[in-house]
Amino acid sequence: AQSVTQLGSHVSVSEGALVLLRCNYSSSVPPYLFWYVQYPNQGLQLLLKYTSAATLVKGINGFEAEFKKSETSFHLTKPSAHMSDAAEYFCAASIQGAQKLVFGQGTRLTINP
Amino acid sequence: DTGVSQDPRHKITKRGQNVTFRCDPISEHNRLYWYRQTLGQGPEFLTYFQNEAQLEKSRLLSDRFSAERPKGSFSTLEIQRTEQGDSAMYLCASKAGTTDTQYFGPGTRLTVL
Repeated sequence: AQSVTQLGSHVSVSEGALVLLRCNYSSSVPPYLFWYVQYPNQGLQLLLKYTSAATLVKGINGFEAEFKKSETSFHLTKPSAHMSDAAEYFCAASIQGAQKLVFGQGTRLTINP
Repeated sequence: DTGVSQDPRHKITKRGQNVTFRCDPISEHNRLYWYRQTLGQGPEFLTYFQNEAQLEKSRLLSDRFSAERPKGSFSTLEIQRTEQGDSAMYLCASKAGTTDTQYFGPGTRLTVL
């Protein structure tokens, strides 16, 4: 069965520091992979996605992620954190051709001034 | 493109009451999805529609839950005889059939007392 694991339910970094949010997937075939961000009391906004094209994917707000098949990973990074990045981040996967998204449990990112 | 909208944004009800939520997808998106998100967890897939046809239902969707999309546009999710365990955020998403990205609405937060 397909699953997504996000290591670390809570990550705290200083403003200007590197952000690294980890995501590993379990699937018999490489899935499509997504990172979404959720601000309090709001829905999910797409940050970026991997759909079997380039393995390094750039998204909005300076975020990027790299698909590594050998490590079954899709970690999210941002070189310099901003206070506005504080939110909940979700990694999700879908098997090509399937409809539903399978989400990780989320990582809450806190930015310290 | 006005985005996915959901109504109401918040609903408080007493145990045993019935509730109904509405989702209006992005116009011309033929696929519509419902997810449930409990506190501190990632969204979990409930069901999805292609046009007016309900093509997949999760085992999470007990017989107290019913979803419809009568004209292939908006959708409703009804919960009968609500239980405290139904308290969650109910998220709706839509997607064009030719793309791989689901766009989420702001959600309906249900509290069952």
